[in-house]
Amino acid sequence: DAGVTQSPTHLIKTRGQQVTLRCSPKSGHDTVSWYQQALGQGPQFIFQYYEEEERQRGNFPDRFSGHQFPNYSSELNVNALLLGDSALYLCASSLSPGKMNTEAFFGQGTRLTVV
Amino acid sequence: GENVEQHPSTLSVQEGDSAVIKCTYSDSASNYFPWYKQELGKRPQLIIDIRSNVGEKKDQRIAVTLNKTAKHFSLHITETQPEDSAVYFCAATPSGNTPLVFGKGTRLSVIA
Repeated sequence: DAGVTQSPTHLIKTRGQQVTLRCSPKSGHDTVSWYQQALGQGPQFIFQYYEEEERQRGNFPDRFSGHQFPNYSSELNVNALLLGDSALYLCASSLSPGKMNTEAFFGQGTRLTVV
Repeated sequence: GENVEQHPSTLSVQEGDSAVIKCTYSDSASNYFPWYKQELGKRPQLIIDIRSNVGEKKDQRIAVTLNKTAKHFSLHITETQPEDSAVYFCAATPSGNTPLVFGKGTRLSVIA
């Protein structure tokens, strides 16, 4: 049973560029949440996707957008990259909202460096 | 929205001693409180969680306590071992599942 997988593991981009990060949830999970973890900080919630729609959003600008596909996999897109976007981007999968609180499983993350 | 405070930010203990990490939360609607361990360069991994209808939960050397009235919860690690060295995050979530709101983390060092 594969856990949560993310790609790529590392990425270096230049300021102003755009980036797409990918996530495949744990088998049986249909909800994907994205988090940004800056160095030395706790993960910060970006948004959550369920049934191919953004359901909840954290305090992140519109430069951060996402998508969920029919197979529950998800993408995180960041436009007009800033140096401050450098961080570890974590994807977490879980069962759908409305079910009893369940464990969120994290992927290994994508380390994004903006230069 | 929910706000989670975590203390201390760093903690050093001798091998075999106990370690305690404390968190407070602001949203009385929060009802799920997981703890994650993150080793350097690795993903956060759930080590224990507690729901608001329970005051304490134990799993071998790890225990978590919850005080809903005071809105705080704590992680207790007994008989610490060098492999317990990592960053520990507490989190809270209002009813309905993720998203999780995390504390800023505690870097635990267990000295052999």
